Amino acid sequence: GAVVSQHPSRVICKSGTSVKIECRSLDFQATTMFWYRQFPKQSLMLMATSNEGSKATYEQGVEKDKFLINHASLTLSTLTVTSAHPEDSSFYICSANTDRRVNGYTFGSGTRLTVV
Amino acid sequence: GENVEQHPSTLSVQEGDSAVIKCTYSDSASNYFPWYKQELGKRPQLIIDIRSNVGEKKDQRIAVTLNKTAKHFSLHITETQPEDSAVYFCAASKGTNAGKSTFGDGTTLTVKP
Repeated sequence: GAVVSQHPSRVICKSGTSVKIECRSLDFQATTMFWYRQFPKQSLMLMATSNEGSKATYEQGVEKDKFLINHASLTLSTLTVTSAHPEDSSFYICSANTDRRVNGYTFGSGTRLTVV
Repeated sequence: GENVEQHPSTLSVQEGDSAVIKCTYSDSASNYFPWYKQELGKRPQLIIDIRSNVGEKKDQRIAVTLNKTAKHFSLHITETQPEDSAVYFCAASKGTNAGKSTFGDGTTLTVKP
């Protein structure tokens, strides 16, 4: 149990286009999901906290209008990178809390975004 | 906010030796400390975690120790094997179900056969 599915695993897009990444909790309900960004050989940086039924909470320095987050149901959160540029190329990973008693964050498989 | 520092950034050991990775945190309110293993191109996998009401936790060859007073915690891997080679991240959070994790910068562990 406690599986988080993320799609797509890889995407290549042209500059100026938008890309949507999906994060699904397959066997549990996740009222809160988190979106992280990871540059090569670097750590995971929290971008935003996605809350079901309400607006996402963004970390300082993360552009809300560029990284649109929608958490429309208890099992799905989406991250849309709008007007993508080459510097947005990165590994995006979502995570979801799996248990209300302990912090068992489960990570999605990640999405490698390349903007050309 | 929370700041997590992790050392060393790279660690190379011989198969069978032990490996120790250390992390410090700044926010005394943090009370949950997970460790993740990430293989190249893959997602981080939780390997062990510890809460602030516990000083040590062990799971087979992996153990984690926590010193709340000093605000540091360590990962110990004994009898290392080549398949232990990966990047290891420590993290800290305040332990609510909506909490946010702050990650260390990672340690690249290489176990030489």
